[in-house]
Amino acid sequence: EDQVTQSPEALRLQEGESSSLNCSYTVSGLRGLFWYRQDPGKGPEFLFTLYSAGEEKEKERLKATLTKKESFLHITAPKPEDSATYLCAVQERAAGNKLTFGGGTRVLVKP
Amino acid sequence: NAGVTQTPKFRILKIGQSMTLQCAQDMNHNYMYWYRQDPGMGLKLIYYSVGAGITDKGEVPNGYNVSRSTTEDFPLRLELAAPSQTSVYFCASSPGTGYSPLHFGNGTRLTVT
Repeated sequence: EDQVTQSPEALRLQEGESSSLNCSYTVSGLRGLFWYRQDPGKGPEFLFTLYSAGEEKEKERLKATLTKKESFLHITAPKPEDSATYLCAVQERAAGNKLTFGGGTRVLVKP
Repeated sequence: NAGVTQTPKFRILKIGQSMTLQCAQDMNHNYMYWYRQDPGMGLKLIYYSVGAGITDKGEVPNGYNVSRSTTEDFPLRLELAAPSQTSVYFCASSPGTGYSPLHFGNGTRLTVT
């Protein structure tokens, strides 16, 4: 059974204080790893897809990386508008388009 | 650009009542999904559909039913609501080709008392 674990559960940062979120996973064959951002009262919003170990993707202050067992979401010099819950999900080769989600990391960036 | 539209946004049910959560997408996506999200937990897949007339169970299908008569609509039916079904329900869609990400609606918050 696929497992996706995110840590920490919550993260409080000062504006400008860089940090990383972790997503560790166990799947029999990874098809893709997805990062989503979720604001309160909203549905998850797609950020990145990573397909193979060593791959990196960037968007503004966010950078996602992938190894064979985990992915990191690095937040560089965060701003208060980066406050959100960040969700990681994996897609297994044998599971079609279905995603298995982690529990998320709640990030609060204080000015 | 409507994307994925879910109605209602909020609903309170009494134990044993039934209701249908509506989901519609205007992106001509073949694949549609229903997830539930409980506090501190990841999204759990309830049911999914790869096209009109085709549905299949996800991780947590008990107590729910779905139908897919058109490409656009994917309603979720709750029969005999129970407190364990208190959750936030998200509908999502994707083209279904390649490594396409899921597009989510803004959810329906359901409370069963």
